[in-house]
Amino acid sequence: AQKVTQAQTEISVVEKEDVTLDCVYETRDTTYYLFWYKQPPSGELVFLIRRNSFDEQNEISGRYSWNFQKSTSSFNFTITASQVVDSAVYFCALSEASGGSEKLVFGKGMKLTVNP
Amino acid sequence: DAGITQSPRHKVTETGTPVTLRCHQTENHRYMYWYRQDPGHGLRLIHYSYGVKDTDKGEVSDGYSVSRSKTEDFLLTLESATSSQTSVYFCAISDLGGGAYGYTFGSGTRLTVV
Repeated sequence: AQKVTQAQTEISVVEKEDVTLDCVYETRDTTYYLFWYKQPPSGELVFLIRRNSFDEQNEISGRYSWNFQKSTSSFNFTITASQVVDSAVYFCALSEASGGSEKLVFGKGMKLTVNP
Repeated sequence: DAGITQSPRHKVTETGTPVTLRCHQTENHRYMYWYRQDPGHGLRLIHYSYGVKDTDKGEVSDGYSVSRSKTEDFLLTLESATSSQTSVYFCAISDLGGGAYGYTFGSGTRLTVV
């Protein structure tokens, strides 16, 4: 069965620090998809990135970067030079291609607080 | 932004009463999902739909039922609300299957059962 573990429940940093959010997943499928979502204090869920299991290239988008390593079943998210606006709960999610259920399984989330 | 709305946004209800939450989309997406969000548990799937009248259970479906009589509407019903169902409920939609493309979420419904 698919599973996502976000071992860190809460992190607090000072503005401009770099921070890495860990995500470890379990799946028996060879084809799967990984996601990160952001939930700011306002409560909405915002899509950040999608990665399929065949694409291990790291990705950078501004201050955000993602490191996908199949060897360690990890899909970690790094925020460089954090800002107060990055304060949010971040969710990692996984979906398996087989089964046809089209379901996403989420980790329990990690609350990031960036202090000025 | 994708057209997805949830109603009501907030609701307080008494234990034992029936409650229906509505998710409405204007995107004509095939897939619709109901999740609940609780501290320490993240987001957990309650039920989902892969077409009109086609629904299936998620991991926390006990005490909930759903219906989808039209593409645009996906209703979540708590037949007899309990305090353990106090939660924030999110609806999500996906066109080609959330598994590959992810979801677009509604704004959530905060339900309190007293």
